[in-house]
Amino acid sequence: GAGVSQSPRYKVAKRGQDVALRCDPISGHVSLFWYQQALGQGPEFLTYFQNEAQLDKSGLPSDRFFAERPEGSVSTLKIQRTQQEDSAVYLCASIFQYGSQETQYFGPGTRLLVL
Amino acid sequence: AQSVTQLGSHVSVSEGALVLLRCNYSSSVPPYLFWYVQYPNQGLQLLLKYTTGATLVKGINGFEAEFKKSETSFHLTKPSAHMSDAAEYFCAVSTDTGRRALTFGSGTRLQVQP
Repeated sequence: GAGVSQSPRYKVAKRGQDVALRCDPISGHVSLFWYQQALGQGPEFLTYFQNEAQLDKSGLPSDRFFAERPEGSVSTLKIQRTQQEDSAVYLCASIFQYGSQETQYFGPGTRLLVL
Repeated sequence: AQSVTQLGSHVSVSEGALVLLRCNYSSSVPPYLFWYVQYPNQGLQLLLKYTTGATLVKGINGFEAEFKKSETSFHLTKPSAHMSDAAEYFCAVSTDTGRRALTFGSGTRLQVQP
């Protein structure tokens, strides 16, 4: 595709509800990142995939957060039993290979509000 | 581990004035440095990056930044601000060791006054 796309763009959830956020990276991009951006803050790393392998999940804040990329393209970030502190914008980024010097291309984000 | 500090959460300039957004980083290994811009309700767009080579980097929309190793800085400048430059700007660092993700600063919101 032309760019990274994410859906839904906005999600309102009741506390305790499960949510799933989708990321479609740029076609052919090997590596995919998820970030969490709290209001007024910079994005913070959650997890990283190289193809279908999740190589780093050290940024996931709790075991309620789970990410997958089963076929090495589309990725889903799932949050179970959402809590108010999960309210944030969730950003997805992809790069062509896996070099740290490569440009990460970001999607528009999913804004999650937990009531 | 690496970190980024952006001095000034809000910067206001007049249209046509110099823009200077400050970024200092901390890294125990050679860093790769990035500036991203974020417009309301949009994702992050790369302005410019430093990987190796020339320390003065030119980016899109007339922005440039200079990597100064001795000062551990990567400040963003633009000679003349336009109204369309009003946005949030993020400095970020990555390295070839450890985590491959970007580490971001907390951002600087640029306001441009007419």
